[in-house]
Amino acid sequence: QVQLVQSGAEVKKPGSSVRVSCTASGDTLNTFAISWVRQAPGQGLQWMGGILPMFGTTNCAQEFQDRVTMTTDESTTTIYMELSSLRPEDTAMYYCAREGRDPRAGMGYWGQGTLVTVSS
Amino acid sequence: DIQMTQSPSSLSASVGDRVTVTCRASQSIDNFLNWYQQRPGKAPKLLIFAASSLQSGVPSRFSGSGSGTDFTLTISSLQPEDFATYYCQQSYSTPYTFGQGTKLEIK
Repeated sequence: QVQLVQSGAEVKKPGSSVRVSCTASGDTLNTFAISWVRQAPGQGLQWMGGILPMFGTTNCAQEFQDRVTMTTDESTTTIYMELSSLRPEDTAMYYCAREGRDPRAGMGYWGQGTLVTVSS
Repeated sequence: DIQMTQSPSSLSASVGDRVTVTCRASQSIDNFLNWYQQRPGKAPKLLIFAASSLQSGVPSRFSGSGSGTDFTLTISSLQPEDFATYYCQQSYSTPYTFGQGTKLEIK
């Protein structure tokens, strides 16, 4: 049974960076794309971007292209998402989610979420 | 970017009711449409993928239909645990986009 476990909550100052990790158990992430989705308090879901760990290729929403870096460790069991130049409106729950082998398959596995709070 | 529009944004219903949520894409997305359920304080859960395929473990009272630009999620007989927020999402092209959500509340 695949489980995605994310790193713990963070409190950051405006202008700083945050790195959130997503670790797979029960399977590697090697052949599946991983997406990052965020949810501001009381708001809907927003796709930020994704990474294909096997190749290290990434794809970001234009809104985040200059501020998001997604990487994987050598074992491809842990994915990292770093968001830089943080602003208060980046306060949100950040989720990693594993896609299926086909884009039609949706995001079938989700991490528990990491709350990032940006405040001076 | 492909815009996804859900309706209604909120819905009051009773246990045992049949409810339908609709989702419209701003352009054709074939059947690259997924539905998620999110309970308060929890991560989203995939219910339906490829517009009409039931995710493993999801009760059969959930069903999806549609193709192209218009899609529906139907819950045939509401159970207490179904009161949650539902999102559609297109996976036809990046950036993947979600509908704004439909909050299903107890009447």
